[in-house]
Amino acid sequence: GAVVSQHPSRVICKSGTSVKIECRSLDFQATTMFWYRQFPKQSLMLMATSNEGSKATYEQGVEKDKFLINHASLTLSTLTVTSAHPEDSSFYICSARDSPGAGGDGKLFFGSGTQLSVL
Amino acid sequence: AQSVTQPDIHITVSEGASLELRCNYSYGATPYLFWYVQSPGQGLQLLLKYFSGDTLVQGIKGFEAEFKRSQSSFNLRKPSVHWSDAAEYFCAVALSGSARQLTFGSGTQLTVLP
Repeated sequence: GAVVSQHPSRVICKSGTSVKIECRSLDFQATTMFWYRQFPKQSLMLMATSNEGSKATYEQGVEKDKFLINHASLTLSTLTVTSAHPEDSSFYICSARDSPGAGGDGKLFFGSGTQLSVL
Repeated sequence: AQSVTQPDIHITVSEGASLELRCNYSYGATPYLFWYVQSPGQGLQLLLKYFSGDTLVQGIKGFEAEFKRSQSSFNLRKPSVHWSDAAEYFCAVALSGSARQLTFGSGTQLTVLP
């Protein structure tokens, strides 16, 4: 089955630094990818929808200057947490849609997530 | 490692009929359990979740789910399906005691016939 690779799986960084998380569709093309953030005991919060070749669509309340999303190719989207603070510590997960326009069936596949800890 | 199985890839029901989507999990302890819905072109939306307590949980849009420990199941139900319920549904589990990482099932695509 289709696989979405998310890297790194775990990252620890100092406050004020930036962290980049990659989301790759390994055997399909994804014009649309989604980025989520999870809080303890709570559901996933959709942060933004990443569209290949265009600007990401951010959900209300998500700082677009802090959470930079780039979707430069049909198989890669990146989320950069800029000037990270301890409150940014969370579990981030991406998903990618197998593009119908590229012969896919529109099914959604999930990465394994990235645990970010900001000291 | 925990795993989630949604045995039905695609389900078709008529509008007004009842619905049950199956979800089985494999984990040594009681996990946190979730059901999400993905409508075309949109991100995931949480329907309901189970952490503890009453094993029958009510969610949004008229959905409910029942946690059955003996069967390791968390099936999603709705008494009467509406055409707008056509979407893809995902079951997910998180580690008990550390509800930080989610493992998703492969999803069930629901088609609603008029």
